[in-house]
Parts: sequence; structure tokens; C-alpha cells
Amino acid sequence: NAGVTQTPKFRVLKTGQSMTLLCAQDMNHEYMYWYRQDPGMGLRLIHYSVGEGTTAKGEVPDGYNVSRLKKQNFLLGLESAAPSQTSVYFCASRAGEAYGYTFGSGTRLTVV
Amino acid sequence: GENVEQHPSTLSVQEGDSAVIKCTYSDSASNYFPWYKQELGKRPQLIIDIRSNVGEKKDQRIAVTLNKTAKHFSLHITETQPEDSAVYFCAASLYSGAGSYQLTFGKGTKLSVIP
Repeated sequence: NAGVTQTPKFRVLKTGQSMTLLCAQDMNHEYMYWYRQDPGMGLRLIHYSVGEGTTAKGEVPDGYNVSRLKKQNFLLGLESAAPSQTSVYFCASRAGEAYGYTFGSGTRLTVV
Repeated sequence: GENVEQHPSTLSVQEGDSAVIKCTYSDSASNYFPWYKQELGKRPQLIIDIRSNVGEKKDQRIAVTLNKTAKHFSLHITETQPEDSAVYFCAASLYSGAGSYQLTFGKGTKLSVIP
């Protein structure tokens, strides 16, 4: 039982490049989330999904897109990376309303 | 939307002393309040949570209290140990209206336990 798995763990991009971060969970959770973590800013919600085929915007969605084609996978895309997107990205999933998140191990992204 | 304020941003205590971290939330409809511990370079890990129908919950050296009237909740760590050093995040869960109870996080408290 792997829980929540994120790939890749580290990545360096040049400004303007694109990439996709993958989040996979094996707990059959309906809800999945993408957060970014920056020093002094805590965890900020980018996008989330309440089930297969659904997505919604969070607090800081600009510059990102997501897809949830399969229940176990939640993809985060950067179409044209900018230095402001340098951050640590965490994926999380939860079983329902009164449950905490299970986080992935994070992806450290640097945009130069 | 929900807003969660967390204080203090940094906290230093001597080993064996107690540590208290406080959070306030803005929306009285929030009903679930978890606490996460994040060690350097690691993922946040759930350490304790409380639901709105409970005033206090304890798990060994960790306890959480909730005051719904005042809209604040606190994390209490007793007999602190060096391995308690980490960043702690509080969060509140609010139904967003789109079928998801998303968590809104405080900005974190860096706890340092001095041996």
C-alpha cells in the first residue's frame, strides 16, 4: 500500500518550458488536491478534484491546469513555466469530509 | 472563503516544557480541524484532529482544544522532546459548495525544542 505517490521528486525547468506532475493514490479516495508550499506562505490550494472527470480551481490556479481522467491519478500541468512557479508542490487525497489529508512526498520545482 | 490565522510563527521551548500553538478561523460553518507536523524536507503528517462536536481530544503528549463560540482551536504539546522540533500547521475544513470539503491551512509555526 503506497498511499500517495508523486513523480518526479525534483525538476529544474527553463522559463517557458512545460511539464506535468503526476499524483497517484491507491486508497480509492474520491477527493484529490494540489497545493504549493512557499516559505512563509504555508500551503496554498491550486486545484482540486471531487471525483473522476471533475476539477475545480483553488486559491492560486493561474498558470496551472489539471486533469483527473482516472480516479487514482491527478495531474498538474504547467504550460509555460515562470520563475514565480518555483516551489514545492504537494498532492494530497482524502476519503471524505471529516478526514485528514494524506500527502505525497512532494515535488521540488525550480524554474530558471 | 475560510481564513485561518495561526500564532506564533516561531516558538522556542526548553526540553520538557509545554508548547501551545493557537489558531483562529473565520467561518462558523467549519466543522473539522486537523493539525499537521512537517519535518524539514518531509511531507506534512496528520498528528491529531478534532471535529466540531467535540471540545477536546488527547493523544499521549498531544492535545487539541476547540472553542466554537470564539472560533479558535489550540494544539498543546506537553513534556516536549527534541524530536518535536518541526513546523506545525493547523487547518479548518469548510464545505466549498462544489462537493468538496477542502482544508484551509494556517501559515505554520516553527517549533524548536532546546535540549
